[in-house]
Amino acid sequence: KAGVTQTPRYLIKTRGQQVTLSCSPISGHRSVSWYQQTPGQGLQFLFEYFSETQRNKGNFPGRFSGRQFSNSRSEMNVSTLELGDSALYLCASSRHENTEAFFGQGTRLTVV
Amino acid sequence: GENVGLHLPTLSVQEGDNSIINCAYSNSASDYFIWYKQESGKGPQFIIDIRSNMDKRQGQRVTVLLNKTVKHLSLQIAATQPGDSAVYFCAENNEGSARQLTFGSGTQLTVLP
Repeated sequence: KAGVTQTPRYLIKTRGQQVTLSCSPISGHRSVSWYQQTPGQGLQFLFEYFSETQRNKGNFPGRFSGRQFSNSRSEMNVSTLELGDSALYLCASSRHENTEAFFGQGTRLTVV
Repeated sequence: GENVGLHLPTLSVQEGDNSIINCAYSNSASDYFIWYKQESGKGPQFIIDIRSNMDKRQGQRVTVLLNKTVKHLSLQIAATQPGDSAVYFCAENNEGSARQLTFGSGTQLTVLP
C-alpha cells in the first residue's frame, strides 16, 4: 500500500514568487492536514481538509492557502514568498480525524 | 527578535538498554495522542498511539503511558538499537476539533554503541 506522497521533494524560489505543493494521501484516507516545520518553531499546523472542505486552520497569514480535490489529493499554495517561509512542509493523511495520521517525506522549500 | 532554534532535550542510551522519553502536553481536552519518530531528512514516522480512555498501550518494543492527571506521556523503547536514533515527538489531538495535531518540541535520542 503506497504511503503519503509529496511533490516536489525540493524547491528553491525567490522572494515574492508563489509556490504550489502537492500531497497524495494514502488510498482511502479522506483527511489531509498540512504542517510547517522549522528549526525555530518546530512543527506547526497549517490547515486540514476533509472531503474537499477546510475544517481547521492554524495561525498563519492568508498567503498560505490550500484545497482538496474529489480524489482527496491536496495542494497548498504560498503566495508572495518571504525568506521566513523557508521550511519543510509536511502533509499527513488519516482515514478520519481520530485515527492514525501518517506523514509524507515533505517538501523542502528554500526561499532566496 | 532573533529566531533561535528550539532547544531539543537529548537522551543518550547504550545499545541494548531501555529508553524512556517523556512529554508534557498542554490541552486537558486532548483525547488522542501519537508518538512519532523523525530521522534526518525524512517525515515523521508513526510509532504508536493512545486514546484518553487508556493509560497504557504496547506495541512491538514500544510502550506508551498516559497520565491524564498531570498531562504527561511517556514512550518506552525496549532494547534500544542504533536504528532508534532519531528525534521523537509526541502529538496531541482534541478529537472534537477535527484533525489538528499539536506537537511537542521533540527529544533527540542517541544510541551509543
